[in-house]
Amino acid sequence: DAGVIQSPRHEVTEMGQEVTLRCKPISGHDYLFWYRQTMMRGLELLIYFNNNVPIDDSGMPEDRFSAKMPNASFSTLKIQPSEPRDSAVYFCASGGLGTEAFFGQGTRLTVV
Amino acid sequence: AQSVTQLDSQVPVFEEAPVELRCNYSSSVSVYLFWYVQYPNQGLQLLLKYLSGSTLVKGINGFEAEFNKSQTSFHLRKPSVHISDTAEYFCAVSAPRGAQKLVFGQGTRLTINP
Repeated sequence: DAGVIQSPRHEVTEMGQEVTLRCKPISGHDYLFWYRQTMMRGLELLIYFNNNVPIDDSGMPEDRFSAKMPNASFSTLKIQPSEPRDSAVYFCASGGLGTEAFFGQGTRLTVV
Repeated sequence: AQSVTQLDSQVPVFEEAPVELRCNYSSSVSVYLFWYVQYPNQGLQLLLKYLSGSTLVKGINGFEAEFNKSQTSFHLRKPSVHISDTAEYFCAVSAPRGAQKLVFGQGTRLTINP
């Protein structure tokens, strides 16, 4: 398996633009997580899905953030409109019941 | 709710010296415990995990950790470090069963000096 695949690896966008981050989890994993990493706040869980259904989105910072998982092999995290304070590394991770979470390489987002 | 405290934000050591990275957690229920490593510009990679059983857990790259329930600690150790161990190390907890919904500590930056 190629592991968790995230795209793009780097994204630079202007304030106010829409940003979409993508994730392909490991096949067979039924949990998918989106984390954000910043110097100030460390690693924060934004939202997680079980069997494509959002279970807990209490970590999503604002209504500007939304996440979807239309099928078992794909998820998106969208920010609209983006702001400079959204600049961070966004990680997607997947896992199965009783297994650890496997992380993607992350997307480094810079909003200017 | 769970929380994790990594007591040292940075740990510098010389090559071939032993190292201990400290982690304490807080939880009202039993927990699963993890150590992840993050190399520069990379994702997080699992070093080791404690789910149950033996309190001494061995992981990859010669690392080990000991779960101490009375002290609510899960310190990471390596008897002899290498330059390639330079990285950020994260301790994390999750509730047992269900999703591995991880709560992370702030991380410890391990720097190995020649």
